[in-house]
Amino acid sequence: AQSVAQPEDQVNVAEGNPLTVKCTYSVSGNPYLFWYVQYPNRGLQFLLKYITGDNLVKGSYGFEAEFNKSQTSFHLKKPSALVSDSALYFCAVRGRRSKAAGNKLTFGGGTRVLVKP
Amino acid sequence: DVKVTQSSRYLVKRTGEKVFLECVQDMDHENMFWYRQDPGLGLRLIYFSYDVKMKEKGDIPEGYSVSREKKERFSLILESASTNQTSMYLCASSLSQYSNQPQHFGDGTRLSIL
Repeated sequence: AQSVAQPEDQVNVAEGNPLTVKCTYSVSGNPYLFWYVQYPNRGLQFLLKYITGDNLVKGSYGFEAEFNKSQTSFHLKKPSALVSDSALYFCAVRGRRSKAAGNKLTFGGGTRVLVKP
Repeated sequence: DVKVTQSSRYLVKRTGEKVFLECVQDMDHENMFWYRQDPGLGLRLIYFSYDVKMKEKGDIPEGYSVSREKKERFSLILESASTNQTSMYLCASSLSQYSNQPQHFGDGTRLSIL
């Protein structure tokens, strides 16, 4: 079975400071990894994904994530946080050996980010 | 841009009612999904469909059923609503069976069962 852990329920950061949201995963074989963001009363928006290749993945709104196979982690980062980055962030994983039909993802519990002016 | 539209943003129903949640996508996606989102639990998959008239159970299918008669539409049915089904329901779609494609989400339906 595949699983995702987001160890922090909430992350507080001052505007302009670096932002990191942690994610670790468990899956058979190599993973596909995703980050999504959810603003209040909205659905999830896709930020970025890791498929293969470079361990540092760049995505939307200045976000990036680093894949670390030995630590089974995929932490989301942003060098300089904005107040508008305040939202709920979800990490998700899918194993490449999973049944192809349906493209099922397993999501973490989410991390709320609060960026203070 | 992909657009996934859920028919209602807010819905209030009574215990025992049969409830229908509708979802439509406009990008000819093969896969469609229904999740429920509860605080601290993240998203949990209820059902998904990878083709018209095809469906598979997710992690928490009990008390729910689905219908996919047309490619663009995926309906979630609460056969006899109960208070523990009060939740945010999210619909999503993705392009194909290739598992590296992201899912695209609707804005959700916040359902309250009284």
